[in-house]
Amino acid sequence: SQQGEEDPQALSIQEGENATMNCSYKTSINNLQWYRQNSGRGLVHLILIRSNEREKHSGRLRVTLDTSKKSSSLLITASRAADTASYFCATDAGGGADGLTFGKGTHLIIQP
Amino acid sequence: DGGITQSPKYLFRKEGQNVTLSCEQNLNHDAMYWYRQDPGQGLRLIYYSQIVNDFQKGDIAEGYSVSREKKESFPLTVTSAQKNPTAFYLCASTRLAGEPQYFGPGTRLTVL
Repeated sequence: SQQGEEDPQALSIQEGENATMNCSYKTSINNLQWYRQNSGRGLVHLILIRSNEREKHSGRLRVTLDTSKKSSSLLITASRAADTASYFCATDAGGGADGLTFGKGTHLIIQP
Repeated sequence: DGGITQSPKYLFRKEGQNVTLSCEQNLNHDAMYWYRQDPGQGLRLIYYSQIVNDFQKGDIAEGYSVSREKKESFPLTVTSAQKNPTAFYLCASTRLAGEPQYFGPGTRLTVL
């Protein structure tokens, strides 16, 4: 079952601008992860934020987590054409051998 | 070179045929997963395995079968019972459920 819902479904911005994507989920989580998928490829793990963390950075990526609102955001700063991809959030509810539950993704297009 | 591989990249199947998708990993991961992705959609879990000789159904297991005879290998068979098998299939592995997953490049299956 899909727990995460990304918003917006699609986003188009100019190169150099910042891109923000949001993810909402329904149940309590152990951690939330963000993945990138280039067209026709497998997913690549970007960043993991645990339920007791509020913000995490990795290079040009900044992730926030608000467990009271059951939501997370992914910010990509100074976007590049190579950032064009689909971005998925995935939640780990903990204790489940079936692992992560993925959302439907945000398709990001960076216009050169 | 550590990683996870899938073959073939493209697969065409006639109605009524069974086909097997290969997934191999040399990351020494215990857990492996099969997902199905339809256009513009997120990932849906087909089967997963936490240990050799054990596997569990995911959300959409009907019409699929798997085996886990070796730690490195988790092949997926798409049977003739699967009504709408045309999709992109992704295999993933992880050390522990809930941790970041490593994905293969995917197999695109088309029914002719």
